[in-house]
Amino acid sequence: KAGVTQTPRYLIKTRGQQVTLSCSPISGHRSVSWYQQTPGQGLQFLFEYFSETQRNKGNFPGRFSGRQFSNSRSEMNVSTLELGDSALYLCASSRDRTNYGYTFGSGTRLTVV
Amino acid sequence: QQPVQSPQAVILREGEDAVINCSSSKALYSVHWYRQKHGEAPVFLMILLKGGEQKGHEKISASFNEKKQQSSLYLTASQLSYSGTYFCGTEPMGNTPLVFGKGTRLSVIA
Repeated sequence: KAGVTQTPRYLIKTRGQQVTLSCSPISGHRSVSWYQQTPGQGLQFLFEYFSETQRNKGNFPGRFSGRQFSNSRSEMNVSTLELGDSALYLCASSRDRTNYGYTFGSGTRLTVV
Repeated sequence: QQPVQSPQAVILREGEDAVINCSSSKALYSVHWYRQKHGEAPVFLMILLKGGEQKGHEKISASFNEKKQQSSLYLTASQLSYSGTYFCGTEPMGNTPLVFGKGTRLSVIA
């Protein structure tokens, strides 16, 4: 069975640009969460979507946004990129997190120059 | 609030045991454990729920002390494949986002 697919795997962007990252969850998983991973801060929660609705949002500025489509695929967008946005962005899907936890994708490595 | 993991790093020889701790200042509903190898996605290990029992599979097990809001991950007779960074994720209530600790880097050497 296919895992969580994130595209692209690597991105290099310039400060001020915007970027869109994509996540396809495991078939049947309706919940998708996004995390930012950096060496200093670890895994920081961005947002969670369930059945196309944002269920939770982390403490990130409004430049970070996301959405979920009817097929459960999710995108996140970062506008006006800053150097500090350089990170690994991980998407995780679950069908029942309380009992089965998250299945993470391999992530998108974003570098802002 | 981010849970605190200890130790930050540990080096083991094959066959040795290790304990990784995860402490929270908030009451917890559940604690998750994940392992991430370099360049790979975090992989789910197990969940401990409030009021639940100690869990484990093979030589990796965990406990959850609700009174202390602390969970411990036990790795026995470590193998080279256990190397990686271990993260605990805490959930204060059901269906709330997981808050992860900064991780414990475990290195197993021959």
